[in-house]
This record gives sequence, structure tokens and C-alpha cells, in this order.
Amino acid sequence: GAGVSQSPSNKVTEKGKDVELRCDPISGHTALYWYRQSLGQGLEFLIYFQGNSAPDKSGLPSDRFSAERTGGSVSTLTIQRTQQEDSAVYLCASSLGLAGGRETQYFGPGTRLLVL
Amino acid sequence: SQQGEEDPQALSIQEGENATMNCSYKTSINNLQWYRQNSGRGLVHLILIRSNEREKHSGRLRVTLDTSKKSSSLLITASRAADTASYFCATDVMGSWGKLQFGAGTQVVVTP
Repeated sequence: GAGVSQSPSNKVTEKGKDVELRCDPISGHTALYWYRQSLGQGLEFLIYFQGNSAPDKSGLPSDRFSAERTGGSVSTLTIQRTQQEDSAVYLCASSLGLAGGRETQYFGPGTRLLVL
Repeated sequence: SQQGEEDPQALSIQEGENATMNCSYKTSINNLQWYRQNSGRGLVHLILIRSNEREKHSGRLRVTLDTSKKSSSLLITASRAADTASYFCATDVMGSWGKLQFGAGTQVVVTP
């Protein structure tokens, strides 16, 4: 696949349940980013992985949110004990990572999460 | 508040007309990027302009950057119905190591 892929496309869950969102970056991209977009809003940065460095977690809104990146490729964003305010589109992006992350980011189609 | 703020929030034009939207930001940047989003899903990268560049073109798109005013503009010439989308500017802030800061976007509607 040529682009960033995300799964699932849509997720409906009940308040209090845990959810896992998956991102497959473009092959060869060492930088991976997670963003969240609430209805009618711009994107909010969540977390950034660059190679083997410790991730930048400064955007995670609470300790219910965590993310990991296995083998420098696929990433999973986990939200524990979901709340209704977690409802949003979660977007993943990747980039080559050659310039400290300061280059074009390519976005996946997103996962639309609805917490009932 | 957000780093990037687009103006106007919404824009309605007819096919063939030009569409201009502006972005203002607050802190020094490495680069500024414009993205398009259709139907609230994935973003499509349009143009990246570096802090030492003043103008860039790509097809019908023209982007300017004025770092002294901390502002950028995106011009779409000869608009088409397919240009209907939300347009976002995103700033790569110095020292932030690549995490983009987005504005709330400009919603553009192009009517045939």
C-alpha cells in the first residue's frame, strides 16, 4: 500500500470500555504522529514517534491515553475507560523523519470514534 | 488558543472564481503547510512553504508567507466544484520537533 492506513474506519463503543486504534505508516517512514479532530475543529496533536527515540507524549489529554509503536512501524493508540468527550476522528500521519520531523506529513483516512 | 487561525471561517464562491484564505500564527516556525480535508476524513497535503521562502506555486495553488506579519495566504485560482473542502494551515513551530499545530480551518464551497 502506498499510503497510511488506519483501522477500524469507524468504532462505536460504550462509555467505560477500552478501545485500540491501529495505524500502518508508509513504508520507510520513521516518524509517526497521532492527532485528534473533534467535530468542526482543527487537529490536535497527541503523540509523536521518531525512530527509536522516546516518544513525545506532550499532547496526550489524560493518562487514559497511551500509544506504542512496535518494530518502528505499526502503531496502536489505546484509550482506556472511554468517555463521551473522547468521541472524535483520530488521525495518524507519517513522514520520512529526515529533518527532525520538519517535513511533509502524510495522513491516513482516520478512525471515527463514537462513545455512547 | 490555537497557533494557526484561518480567515475566513467559511467561503462560498462560484466555479471559475478565485478563492483566497489567510492564516495567522503566533510563534516562530520552521515551515507552514496547507492541507485539504474532504468530508471530515483524511487530510491531503497541498503545499509546504519553508520559513525562508516567500511564495510557492503548485498548479492552481499559490501560497505566500510573510514571517514578519506571521501570516500566510492560500489562493486557489479558477476554482472547481471539486475544490469544495475544508482547508487547514498547519505550522511546524521551532523547537517542537515536527508536531504540527493546526487552525480550525476554512470551509470552502464552490458552486457550479
